[in-house]
Amino acid sequence: SYELTQPPSVSVSPGQAARITCSGDELPKKYAYWYQQKSGQAPVLVIYEDTKRPSGIPERFSGSILGTMATLTIADVQVEDEADYYCFSTESTGDHKKVFGGGTKLTVL
Amino acid sequence: DVQLVESGGGLIQPGGSLRLSCAASGFSFRSYEMNWVRQAPGKGLEWVSHISSSSDTTYYADSVTGRFTISRDNAKNSLYLQLNSLRAEDTAIYYCVRQMGSWYEAYFDYWGQGTLVTVSS
Repeated sequence: SYELTQPPSVSVSPGQAARITCSGDELPKKYAYWYQQKSGQAPVLVIYEDTKRPSGIPERFSGSILGTMATLTIADVQVEDEADYYCFSTESTGDHKKVFGGGTKLTVL
Repeated sequence: DVQLVESGGGLIQPGGSLRLSCAASGFSFRSYEMNWVRQAPGKGLEWVSHISSSSDTTYYADSVTGRFTISRDNAKNSLYLQLNSLRAEDTAIYYCVRQMGSWYEAYFDYWGQGTLVTVSS
């Protein structure tokens, strides 16, 4: 079955940039999406269709794609950005089932 | 405002059954495809099931196929998930989520707060 691979953890200091990667063989064919989940809360969409930012999401959140790797970049990280981040995409064959990456814990030191 | 409110979770013994409900408001429920996503305690997100707007198409994760059934009632603005033959590994928070886009390139834009299902003897 299709898998999306993320690093388990990323740590940065406030004001630095954080980059979280997501690797998947079918990302050249299917969009990547990113969700932020703070402790005890439901996930929130922060990037859709590889690079687009929903209304209400700060401009410091951006997405990029290069081949089989999608990247979520958070510029000028704030303390409130500490959360788990999940990438999400679709299988390009069969029933086009949905897949989440394993999640990355962003720690703001 | 879009609201999705889940209910029906609880403690259930292995092999038992449970029916989850999701009450939707603030949007035209009958126009949207819907899904369930779950999250085991301390673990990541797992897509569980999908249903089309008219209920003519459903999909399931391999882990729940044959045991879970998704359904909806557009007249009641409600989504359901019937959970049968429950196992300890089904223990999770179950989220009702609204889908954007067609199934072939879909994503989830609104999530409920979830309902906890605990499978234990």
